Amino acid sequence: GESVGLHLPTLSVQEGDNSIINCAYSNSASDYFIWYKQESGKGPQFIIDIRSNMDKRQGQRVTVLLNKTVKHLSLQIAATQPGDSAVYFCAENRYGNKLVFGAGTILRVKS
Amino acid sequence: GAVVSQHPSWVICKSGTSVKIECRSLDFQATTMFWYRQFPKQSLMLMATSNEGSKATYEQGVEKDKFLINHASLTLSTLTVTSAHPEDSSFYICSAEEGTDTQYFGPGTRLTVL
Repeated sequence: GESVGLHLPTLSVQEGDNSIINCAYSNSASDYFIWYKQESGKGPQFIIDIRSNMDKRQGQRVTVLLNKTVKHLSLQIAATQPGDSAVYFCAENRYGNKLVFGAGTILRVKS
Repeated sequence: GAVVSQHPSWVICKSGTSVKIECRSLDFQATTMFWYRQFPKQSLMLMATSNEGSKATYEQGVEKDKFLINHASLTLSTLTVTSAHPEDSSFYICSAEEGTDTQYFGPGTRLTVL
């Protein structure tokens, strides 16, 4: 069935390095994608979103890239900090604004 | 910014009892709220869509008689887990929709059924 998935379950990076978290989606009709950060025992926190009419969007220290040709989404975090340690989910906004979440990537930042 | 709260943040109950979880949008009105369930080390799975003033719509495989949803006002949706069993133990998260696309998530409720 259609799904949104992630390539890597765990990513370990050194503090100060850049992090790249990837996500593949299969529904070519999807037109809105969101990245969320979830810390242990908490609800998801919105990071950044992107619509299908864009291929790049930048926020504070974060950049989302969308490649519709290969149905791939990535989240780049610049100068990763210990506070960035969390689980990151991509989500696909489908019909009726229902969100389909990817499997999640654990980001561990080493000091 | 938009804030969504949940109550309680955690609950422990005996098998066979019912548990009610509240989801509130604190500074905005939400015609639509969503309920998710998340098992340890897994992703969020949508359970149902809660619409103010009408019946909730449930995702495939989610028992509507077991997970009762009530959305009586534009700021409150409740999820009642009826006759809870240990397999219902999970992290339940709600979200509230502001505008047409943006969903804001609550902090979650940890349910443990003994």
